[in-house]
Amino acid sequence: ETGVTQSPTHLIKTRGQQVTLRCSSQSGHNTVSWYQQALGQGPQFIFQYYREEENGRGNFPPRFSGLQFPNYSSELNVNALELDDSALYLCASRVGTERWETQYFGPGTRLLVL
Amino acid sequence: AQSVTQLGSHVSVSEGALVLLRCNYSSSVPPYLFWYVQYPNQGLQLLLKYTSAATLVKGINGFEAEFKKSETSFHLTKPSAHMSDAAEYFCAVSDLGTGNQFYFGTGTSLTVIP
Repeated sequence: ETGVTQSPTHLIKTRGQQVTLRCSSQSGHNTVSWYQQALGQGPQFIFQYYREEENGRGNFPPRFSGLQFPNYSSELNVNALELDDSALYLCASRVGTERWETQYFGPGTRLLVL
Repeated sequence: AQSVTQLGSHVSVSEGALVLLRCNYSSSVPPYLFWYVQYPNQGLQLLLKYTSAATLVKGINGFEAEFKKSETSFHLTKPSAHMSDAAEYFCAVSDLGTGNQFYFGTGTSLTVIP
């Protein structure tokens, strides 16, 4: 039990639609990162938020966006869904931004785009 | 840029046998290295991490890993496999700089044969 929750657990969308995924971090965890894990692959870094501001981004297009709120919750928004967006989306939280800090992962949201 | 390579996408061992999962890293700076485990339909759980304090790192569930700078390796071992060890294992390296990306390997699926 990591104390990180995500909703919904599963989601089905059609191509071109928009989706919002939610994450609730542990209290006191100021940093949240989002990852995309395609089937049979390792998680790929999407972006990171620290104290409500994006401070790092992986190789993902702008249609992937996020928000972080003062209550330790966060969102991942994906516009204009494509078939390749089908994946498990993981959020991970930690206290700060040090490289040695452990990230605590939620169970993920499995998104299927038809 | 940092990266990790996990040799062997699938590893099978008999119950009670030694578990060895391989991870090699590439990093231009002293690395921080992590091993995570993922059980079916769950998020990632930290097994152990290397933060330069000691080259032999002990983790949960009897796992340990040895950091070898000369070989750029961080292999995960367990002396005696248990049925409950069957899962997907990911090695990750933490990036330097803002955003502090985690770069994950492609994972190794461990099967334990009774």
